[in-house]
Amino acid sequence: DSGVTQTPKHLITATGQRVTLRCSPRSGDLSVYWYQQSLDQGLQFLIQYYNGEERAKGNILERFSAQQFPDLHSELNLSSLELGDSALYFCASSVEPLSTDTQYFGPGTRLTVL
Amino acid sequence: QQQVKQSPQSLIVQKGGIPIINCAYENTAFDYFPWYQQFPGKGPALLIAIRPDVSEKKEGRFTISFNKSAKQFSLHIMDSQPGDSATYFCAARSGNEKLTFGTGTRLTIIP
Repeated sequence: DSGVTQTPKHLITATGQRVTLRCSPRSGDLSVYWYQQSLDQGLQFLIQYYNGEERAKGNILERFSAQQFPDLHSELNLSSLELGDSALYFCASSVEPLSTDTQYFGPGTRLTVL
Repeated sequence: QQQVKQSPQSLIVQKGGIPIINCAYENTAFDYFPWYQQFPGKGPALLIAIRPDVSEKKEGRFTISFNKSAKQFSLHIMDSQPGDSATYFCAARSGNEKLTFGTGTRLTIIP
């Protein structure tokens, strides 16, 4: 158990809908990262927050947004969902956003868009 | 520049054998190279990591070999066991930039 929690574990929704994925980092970790894992794309970095502020953006679509709250939990919002958004979404956390700082991954949320 | 190329895509090895997974990168600014292990239904977990100032690092049965001039690094698993069957990802990072992951290798260890 990495100490990172993600809810829900599974989510099934329809195209055009909006969903929110939630992540609670490990106790003491200030940095949160979101990744998308699909069969053909591997692990793709989406976005990073550090202590409530956005630090880095990856291949995140404009339909997606995220935020980190004062209690350090984070939410990833996916809107106008398309079939291709079906994937595993992972949250990871680390103490600091440093090169050698270990990122601990949560168990993921499996999103299925029908 | 930010890509990390990983091979093979899948690998089947007999128990006790030494699977080797290779990764190559282009960005010479990368200064941290972790390997992650992922079991089905779980998130990736850090297995072992190396900095470019060393050529080899061992942790238990897992060894990273690093060739800075060739911009390649590899994971070796000694005395492989069926419980090592998982997907392995190499990754690379520069400073406080994002982790760039390889595409993964699905390893199967057969008894």
